Amino acid sequence: NAGVTQTPKFQVLKTGQSMTLQCAQDMNHNSMYWYRQDPGMGLRLIYYSASEGTTDKGEVPNGYNVSRLNKREFSLRLESAAPSQTSVYFCASSARGRDSPLHFGNGTRLTVT
Amino acid sequence: RKEVEQDPGPFNVPEGATVAFNCTYSNSASQSFFWYRQDCRKEPKLLMSVYSSGNEDGRFTAQLNRASQYISLLIRDSKLSDSATYLCVVRSGGYNKLIFGAGTRLAVHP
Repeated sequence: NAGVTQTPKFQVLKTGQSMTLQCAQDMNHNSMYWYRQDPGMGLRLIYYSASEGTTDKGEVPNGYNVSRLNKREFSLRLESAAPSQTSVYFCASSARGRDSPLHFGNGTRLTVT
Repeated sequence: RKEVEQDPGPFNVPEGATVAFNCTYSNSASQSFFWYRQDCRKEPKLLMSVYSSGNEDGRFTAQLNRASQYISLLIRDSKLSDSATYLCVVRSGGYNKLIFGAGTRLAVHP
């Protein structure tokens, strides 16, 4: 049982380049999330998807787009990368329900030069 | 003021010590509470949920004080393997709104 799988693990981009981070979960969870983690700031929500076919902005959505391709997959796209987007990105999923915890992928370390 | 605040530490303790972390939250309508553990350069992993009556899992005890708006995590008989960053997480507003604290770093030494 793989849980939440993210690719790639590492990426270096030049300013202005684009890329898509892929995420898939095999736990039949309805909700999926993209977070970024920067030193001293905790995880901040970029976008989330409460269910297949819906997406909503989180705390820091600017510069990102998302696609909930199906129940399993939720991708994050950077159309024109900026150095401020250098961060560690985590995808997560959860079952529906107030007390359902998040399950995280291994993370993607992105550097934008 | 941040919605969820934690002492960043680090807490440096010897093996066998008891250590406690606190976390305060600002939204009195917050509904669910969790402690996560994050090892260096790894993803956060759920340590335990926090229930109103308090709950225990082996050496770990979590408590919630709604009146004072804080949650706590107590680790007894610390092990070297407990060295990690502990994240306080609070669900406020919509059920998708999970707010993470910046984490408290624990270093257990021999």
